[in-house]
Amino acid sequence: DIQMTQSPSSLSASVGDRVTITCQASQDISNYLYWFQQKPGKAPEVLIYDASSLETGVPSRFSGSGSGTDFTFTISSLQTEDIATYYCQQYDNLPLTFGGGTKVEIK
Amino acid sequence: QVQLVESGGGVVQPGKSLRLSCAASGFNFSTYVMHCVRQAPGKGLEWVAAISYDGSNKYYGDSVKGRFTISRDNSKNTLYLQMNSLRAEDTAIYFCARVKMGRIVEDALDYWGRGTLVTVSS
Repeated sequence: DIQMTQSPSSLSASVGDRVTITCQASQDISNYLYWFQQKPGKAPEVLIYDASSLETGVPSRFSGSGSGTDFTFTISSLQTEDIATYYCQQYDNLPLTFGGGTKVEIK
Repeated sequence: QVQLVESGGGVVQPGKSLRLSCAASGFNFSTYVMHCVRQAPGKGLEWVAAISYDGSNKYYGDSVKGRFTISRDNSKNTLYLQMNSLRAEDTAIYFCARVKMGRIVEDALDYWGRGTLVTVSS
């Protein structure tokens, strides 16, 4: 199984700050990675697919980069509505595997 | 719009069975691979199972293989997860999710339901 190592597990930042989350795969997954947001009691929402493609309707302050084994997710200017837990997930191979999540809070 | 609504969760004793349903709407259900993913309380996400668009191929995670069965009824736009021989470690919120590209099993999951909670406890 492909292991996904996501960091940090939590972070606290101010509104307007740039926030960066990283995800490392245990083997080359090309660009078969996506990032999604989960808020308590709500369905997860995809933000970025194919490592760097912005899902339709998602604000442009969200972005992703990387390929192979190292990936980065960025919120360019943190907003209060961005408070959530963010996950990466690889879809190069079954079983689909997830990073451990990053809980983002407002400082 | 695309909607996935899970149901069927509840409290069940170890060793018993439960069947979850996922009602789909807003898209052509019969042309999409579907997945089940679970999240134990306070824990991360674990992929459980997947089924091809026509139901002919099924895939399972090691922790549920031989105990869980995924199926679908395309005439009812509904996905099912039959869970047998339940264990305490199966306690989780169970989500259904749709793949982005339709017929590809290994794909981004672009729409998820809100999940249904299964608690396995005596």
